[in-house]
Amino acid sequence: SQQGEEDPQALSIQEGENATMNCSYKTSINNLQWYRQNSGRGLVHLILIRSNEREKHSGRLRVTLDTSKKSSSLLITASRAADTASYFCATDRMDSNYQLIWGAGTKLIIKP
Amino acid sequence: EAEVAQSPRYKITEKSQAVAFWCDPISGHATLYWYRQILGQGPELLVQFQDESVVDDSQLPKDRFSAERLKGVDSTLKIQPAELGDSAMYLCASSGEWGRRETQYFGPGTRLLVL
Repeated sequence: SQQGEEDPQALSIQEGENATMNCSYKTSINNLQWYRQNSGRGLVHLILIRSNEREKHSGRLRVTLDTSKKSSSLLITASRAADTASYFCATDRMDSNYQLIWGAGTKLIIKP
Repeated sequence: EAEVAQSPRYKITEKSQAVAFWCDPISGHATLYWYRQILGQGPELLVQFQDESVVDDSQLPKDRFSAERLKGVDSTLKIQPAELGDSAMYLCASSGEWGRRETQYFGPGTRLLVL
């Protein structure tokens, strides 16, 4: 079963614009993570935000977490062609054993 | 930088045949995961190992799938017999870095096509 749901399913923007993706989840969590997957490849960890954190930055990435709404957003600023990929949120439930529950992903296309 | 290795990268087989996938996690990572990912969807956990022990295989179709990690290092996932619906990407991940057990490191995956 999938815990997270990303929105939108697909996003196409011009290079240089900002991209925002959202994730909603259902149960209480220890942390929420975002991963990137280039076409036909494995996933790469981008950033982790813990349940007691509200915002986190890493380079051009900004992640927010609202535990009251059970939602998170990923902002990529000044997008580049190399950012074209699928982005997944994954949640680590409080009763899990380091297991992640994954959403279906947002497919991001950056047009040059 | 250490990486998770998987082989083969691509596998084409006919239904009813047996297939096997291999994964070598990052050295020192105690936890190993096998996922199945259908195109357009997120990864679905098949089995989780802690060292050589199975932590969770509740989503593994045990009538045809098996997984082992005999020495607590590398792992093999087997399907016998393969069915058309098994066509998917099979991903291996590992974790266990001190203080960062939550983060999973993925291999490049094995893309399986069953004809």
